[in-house]
Formats: sequence, structure tokens, C-alpha cells
Amino acid sequence: DAGVIQSPRHEVTEMGQEVTLRCKPISGHDYLFWYRQTMMRGLELLIYFNNNVPIDDSGMPEDRFSAKMPNASFSTLKIQPSEPRDSAVYFCASSGTGATDTQYFGPGTRLTVL
Amino acid sequence: GDSVTQMEGPVTLSEEAFLTINCTYTATGYPSLFWYVQYPGEGLQLLLKATKADDKGSNKGFEATYRKETTSFHLEKGSVQVSDSAVYFCALSPYNNNDMRFGAGTRLTVKP
Repeated sequence: DAGVIQSPRHEVTEMGQEVTLRCKPISGHDYLFWYRQTMMRGLELLIYFNNNVPIDDSGMPEDRFSAKMPNASFSTLKIQPSEPRDSAVYFCASSGTGATDTQYFGPGTRLTVL
Repeated sequence: GDSVTQMEGPVTLSEEAFLTINCTYTATGYPSLFWYVQYPGEGLQLLLKATKADDKGSNKGFEATYRKETTSFHLEKGSVQVSDSAVYFCALSPYNNNDMRFGAGTRLTVKP
């Protein structure tokens, strides 16, 4: 298996633009997690899905952020409109049976909002 | 809420030195505890985990024991190598919950 795939690896955009980050989890995994990593706040869980259904989105910072998982092999994290404080590395991870199972992380998307 | 606190870095050691990275947690109930490692430019990888008190997780020479009495999960390795240079994250998942809380991370540099 290729592991968790994220795209793009790097994204530079201007304030106010819409940004869409993409993730393909490992086949057969039932859980998908989105994280944000910054120097100031460390690694934060934003939202997670179980069998394509969002279970807990309490970590999503505000309404500008939204996440979807239309099928078992694809998820998106969208920011609209983007702001400079959204600059961070965004990771997607998947696991077979939940957080206590091994989470496999993608390589991350480094987002820079100018 | 549930959280973990780990020692601040950076930590710099010589090859073959003994490593300890402290991690303590605050939680209700019985969380699961983890150590993840992040190499430059990569995502996190699970290093080891423990799901109940007194369990010892181990992998690649690293060990950590789930100590409920001291609410700790310290990471240890008897002899570090240059290839162990990375950022190490302590994390917990609350009991019966798929939330994950990570510590701030500790950067380890091992010099030859």
C-alpha cells in the first residue's frame, strides 16, 4: 500500500482565497483524522471521521473550515476564506479501528497564506 | 480536559548516551498513551503505545511504562544513535473516545 496520500504538498495562496486540501487514506481503514501543526499551538486534532461520517469536529477552529469525506477513499479540508493565521502544516491520518489503533500519517500539506 | 505535558527541548546527546524524555498526563478514567516520532519533512509515525496501567510499550530499543500512580509515560532508550534524531511526541487518547491530544514535542539531536 502507498500509505496515506496528501495533496498538494505545498500550497501558497493569498488571503481571502479558498484552499482545498486532499487526502486519500489507506484502503480498509475506517477512521480518518485531520490535524494542524503550528509552532505556537503544536499538533491539534481538527476533525475525525468514522466510516465517512464526521464524528467530532470540535477542533475545527471556526466556520471558515469545513471537511468532507464523500467516500472511503477521499477526504477534503477546505478553508474559505483563508487568512494568514491559517498558515500551518496540515496532516491527514487514518487508522483501522480508531485512535487507539496505530494512526498512519500522510506527509502533510504545508500551507502558506500571504 | 485531558492533556499531556512533555519536557521541553531541544535535547542534544552524544551517540550511545542514555535518553529520557519525560511525559506526564492529566485525564479522567484510563486513557491510552502513545509516543510518536516525526522525522524532518515527514508525518508522524507511531513509536510505541500502552493501553492500560503498568503496560510497557517497546519498539526499536525505546521503552515507556504506563504509570498510573505518577500519571507518567516517560520515554527511554539505553543507547541512542544519530538516526534517532527527530521530534518525539507524547500523546493520549481518552478512554472510550477517539480524540487524540499531543504534547508539544521534544526535538532530539544525537551527535556522533
